[in-house]
Amino acid sequence: QVQLEQSGAEVKKPGSSVKVSCKASGGTFRKYSFSWVRQAPGQGLEWMGGIIAVFGTTVYAQNFQGRVTITADESTSSAYMELRSLRSEDTAIYYCARVSVEMDIITARPYYFAMDVWGQGTTVTVSS
Amino acid sequence: DIVMTQSPLSLSVTPGEPASISCKSSQSLLHSNGNNYLDWYLQKPGQSPQLLIYLGSNRASGVPDRFSGSGSGTEFTLKISRVEAEDVGIYYCMQALQTPPNTFGGGTKVEIK
Repeated sequence: QVQLEQSGAEVKKPGSSVKVSCKASGGTFRKYSFSWVRQAPGQGLEWMGGIIAVFGTTVYAQNFQGRVTITADESTSSAYMELRSLRSEDTAIYYCARVSVEMDIITARPYYFAMDVWGQGTTVTVSS
Repeated sequence: DIVMTQSPLSLSVTPGEPASISCKSSQSLLHSNGNNYLDWYLQKPGQSPQLLIYLGSNRASGVPDRFSGSGSGTEFTLKISRVEAEDVGIYYCMQALQTPPNTFGGGTKVEIK
């Protein structure tokens, strides 16, 4: 039974970067794909992007393009999400989740769906 | 981006009674492969979200059979046949077809009367 353990809470200054880790245990890491979702205080869920670990291929939400990088490292069985140029609006809980991915047979577009295992969340606070 | 609209915003239900949540998308979520790329998640108070339903109507592992998902195209429904106290939380639908990005509905808060 796979479990995801995320790194601890972070407090960052505006303009800096944060890197959150998500360690998978109890399964075969290279078989997995991961999505990252965030939740601002009192708000709903926002999908940030995802990665197919075995290929290292990524997709990102346009809102985060250029500021976010998602990676996966089989040697540490971990996925990572780095967010740069932090601003106060990035204050949120960041979740990783194992996700299913299907590739469109015509376009090769990946569909990330069914986030079935979630990490406990990492609180990132951006404040001067 | 696809806009997901959930209703109602909140729901107060007597234990043992049914509940129903609607989710409408601004574009069809039906793929030519026959799948509707629509998931349902529940976020219980103070917890990470959990998957309830994927591809519109498939119950995730370990999810009680009182939860069911239906619908196709742009209109979907999550039904709880008999609400229990442990079902309180915020329910979200999420589309995964017109991506990136996947987009979530605004959430429906379910409380117990």
